[in-house]
Amino acid sequence: EIVLTQSPATLSLSPGERATLSCRASQSVSRYLAWLQQRPGQAPRLLMSDASNRATGIPARFSGSGSGTDFTLTISSLEPEDVAVYYCQHLNTFGQGTKLEIK
Amino acid sequence: QVQLQESGPGLVKPSETLSLTCAVSGGSVSSGPYSWSWIRQPPGKALEWIGFIYSSGTTNINPSLRGRLSMSLDTSENQFSLHLTSVTAADTAVYYCAGGNYYLHFWGQGTLVTVSS
Repeated sequence: EIVLTQSPATLSLSPGERATLSCRASQSVSRYLAWLQQRPGQAPRLLMSDASNRATGIPARFSGSGSGTDFTLTISSLEPEDVAVYYCQHLNTFGQGTKLEIK
Repeated sequence: QVQLQESGPGLVKPSETLSLTCAVSGGSVSSGPYSWSWIRQPPGKALEWIGFIYSSGTTNINPSLRGRLSMSLDTSENQFSLHLTSVTAADTAVYYCAGGNYYLHFWGQGTLVTVSS
């Protein structure tokens, strides 16, 4: 069973700063990795598929990279609405999430 | 745009069966290659995958729930369902239905199910 480990657990940054979130898989998942965003009190939504393909309607400030076991989600310039928990996902496995706070 | 809506009781007694339905609009549950998933989230915790059912009716279930969980498609009503037997307090969570082509493109708003006597 594949395990996804996300870091950091919490990230606190100021508006306009760059956020870098990491997801590491216990074995190679090729590029079959998704990123999900869950804003407070809302259902998750798909941000990124195949590691780097933005889903419909996702702003260009979100980008994804990586393959194999190491993946990164980058938010180039933080907006207040980016406050959320971000999860990586491969098939039937979710990471534990990174909570992004805006100072 | 595909939309999903969960429905079911918000309170279930311990040892009873939890049954939820997800109504699909804007798309058909029987059209491939979509799969239809259930995910849950205990209060304050991370997402947990429950299982999914393909448009063909084939299912893939979280091994930790095998023996208690069944899923089905109702093509006439364009919906899919979850049945979880012998529930305990550990099954208390927000239950989401989701769907997509390999990835979870579409999500319902979620429904809180509390297991309590």
